[in-house]
Amino acid sequence: GQNIDQPTEMTATEGAIVQINCTYQTSGFNGLFWYQQHAGEAPTFLSYNVLDGLEEKGRFSSFLSRSKGYSYLLLKELQMKDSASYLCAVYNDYKLSFGAGTTVTVRA
Amino acid sequence: DGGITQSPKYLFRKEGQNVTLSCEQNLNHDAMYWYRQDPGQGLRLIYYSQIVNDFQKGDIAEGYSVSREKKESFPLTVTSAQKNPTAFYLCASSIGTSDYEQYFGPGTRLTVT
Repeated sequence: GQNIDQPTEMTATEGAIVQINCTYQTSGFNGLFWYQQHAGEAPTFLSYNVLDGLEEKGRFSSFLSRSKGYSYLLLKELQMKDSASYLCAVYNDYKLSFGAGTTVTVRA
Repeated sequence: DGGITQSPKYLFRKEGQNVTLSCEQNLNHDAMYWYRQDPGQGLRLIYYSQIVNDFQKGDIAEGYSVSREKKESFPLTVTSAQKNPTAFYLCASSIGTSDYEQYFGPGTRLTVT
C-alpha cells in the first residue's frame, strides 16, 4: 500500500521561510514530485527528486532522503501569492500517489 | 498555446444519470490520466492510458469508464454505479508514463444531487 503523510496546514509571515515535510511508506519508489495547487485550480509542477539531496530552483528547494522515506519542500522569501496547497507525490510503477496536501497561508 | 482543456468547469447532474467529462490535450503526449480530488484528501487515480486504444484501472476505477480512441482525447464517464460521484475531477497528461512531469487541466467540478 501507499502511505504518504504531510501536515494539514501551516501559516507563515510574508518574507519568512517555511518547510513542508513529507514522509512516505510505499511499495516501491522511483521519485518524488512536489506540486503547487491554488484553490479550485490545477496543480502545477514545482520539483522532482530522484536521488538523495537538495534540489534548488529559485525561491523553492526540495530535499529527498530515500533511506528515511522523507522529503521536504522549502519556500523562501514567502510572498502572498505562495498561499496555496502543496502536494507531495511518490512516483512508482507508472503512477503517482499523492499525499493529502499541505495548505500554506501567508500573512502580511 | 499547448495545453489541456476540460469542459465544462462546473457540471450538475441528477442521481442515476451517467455523465461524461471531456479532456483534450494538444501537447502530443502519449500518456493521460484521470484523478479525483475530495476535500482533505489527496488526488486519487481513477484510470490512466499509456497509449491510444489502451488504458488501465487506477486505485478507484469502480463506477467509472474511459476510452482512448484518439491521442488527444481521454473522456471519463461517471456512471450511476459510482456511489459518491460529487468531486473535483482533474485530467493530466505526460510525455510518457516514465518519471515525467504531469501537466494538469483546469478540472471539472461535478455535483450530483
